[in-house]
Amino acid sequence: NAGVTQTPKFRVLKTGQSMTLLCAQDMNHEYMYWYRQDPGMGLRLIHYSVGEGTTAKGEVPDGYNVSRLKKQNFLLGLESAAPSQTSVYFCASSSDRVKQPQHFGDGTRLSIL
Amino acid sequence: GDSVTQMEGPVTLSEEAFLTINCTYTATGYPSLFWYVQYPGEGLQLLLKATKADDKGSNKGFEATYRKETTSFHLEKGSVQVSDSAVYFCALIGGTGGFKTIFGAGTRLFVKA
Repeated sequence: NAGVTQTPKFRVLKTGQSMTLLCAQDMNHEYMYWYRQDPGMGLRLIHYSVGEGTTAKGEVPDGYNVSRLKKQNFLLGLESAAPSQTSVYFCASSSDRVKQPQHFGDGTRLSIL
Repeated sequence: GDSVTQMEGPVTLSEEAFLTINCTYTATGYPSLFWYVQYPGEGLQLLLKATKADDKGSNKGFEATYRKETTSFHLEKGSVQVSDSAVYFCALIGGTGGFKTIFGAGTRLFVKA
């Protein structure tokens, strides 16, 4: 099925470990986004990309890095995980046509101990 | 900057009750407005949208009308079902933030049988 696929779905890390979350979309979308969702905080934009090879900071970028080497993939990295990064992470993509809605993956639930 | 304000939840209703979830926005220009729904353990899904003033978006029995004079986009459904239990997000795109989506904080709906 067409859409946005996130891997892994669940992960538990220890403080200081690193990991990469993968997002893949097969809709040929130009724009891709990483959000985190925490209780009572809604969705907060971490980083986004407006096309292959580009990335930009969102609302809460500290402690995260991203890469968009291929148009269909958007990677989110945690270099040294901290308990404050325990969250549910969502990837989304959208067309570069004006005012198009975003398509979301099912999320990655990440716990940092 | 742009912002979206939703009524705080949770909202608890009995099956077949009438639903209203209020949403107001602040934005320059002529944004498009959206309602997304998030079921437990899943990502956000587009529920309906409206791209200009007085447009009515509708889907699965839900409706919302883009009211520019009151800067509102309230979500309504005439008869809710248990399966409508979810978190609902109001959102806009195309104001000051350009292509980035501005989300409300979300409203959790519980429907009792």
